[in-house]
Amino acid sequence: DSGVTQTPKHLITATGQRVTLRCSPRSGDLSVYWYQQSLDQGLQFLIQYYNGEERAKGNILERFSAQQFPDLHSELNLSSLELGDSALYFCASTLAGAVDTQYFGPGTRLTVL
Amino acid sequence: KNEVEQSPQNLTAQEGEFITINCSYSVGISALHWLQQHPGGGIVSLFMLSSGKKKHGRLIATINIQEKHSSLHITASHPRDSAVYICAVHSGGGADGLTFGKGTHLIIQP
Repeated sequence: DSGVTQTPKHLITATGQRVTLRCSPRSGDLSVYWYQQSLDQGLQFLIQYYNGEERAKGNILERFSAQQFPDLHSELNLSSLELGDSALYFCASTLAGAVDTQYFGPGTRLTVL
Repeated sequence: KNEVEQSPQNLTAQEGEFITINCSYSVGISALHWLQQHPGGGIVSLFMLSSGKKKHGRLIATINIQEKHSSLHITASHPRDSAVYICAVHSGGGADGLTFGKGTHLIIQP
């Protein structure tokens, strides 16, 4: 158990809909990363938050957004969903930055029908 | 952009064999991570390296910064080692996320 929690575990929705994925980091970790894992693209970095502020952006679509709240949990919002958004979404937390061990949550499997 | 290449893509071996998985990257990095992903999907961090060598149980990871290359070794392999092993690098540039290799799918047969 990494200490990182993600909800929900599974999510099935339809094209055009909007969903919110939630991540709670390990106690004491300030940094949260979001990653997408799809069959064709593999694992890709989406976005990072550190202590409530956006720190870095990767391959995140404009239809996706995220935030980190004062209690350090983070939410990833996916809107206008397309079939190609079906993937595993992981969050990971670190004490500070990426030059620390990353602790991954169990992931949320999103299926868009 | 930092490209991360892993080899082999797939590896099947017999229990007890010594396993080596290789990772090469194209530009300078500040850290390299080895991750393990089991069939259930969960990802576990095995090592984070910026130089030299690290050992944990039957797993050994090495990195050669000059050659931009890292290896993950498994000694006395066991069927429970069957998983996907993923190399990822942190370039330390403006984007503070990891860049991942495509993974090596390892099967250890009893």
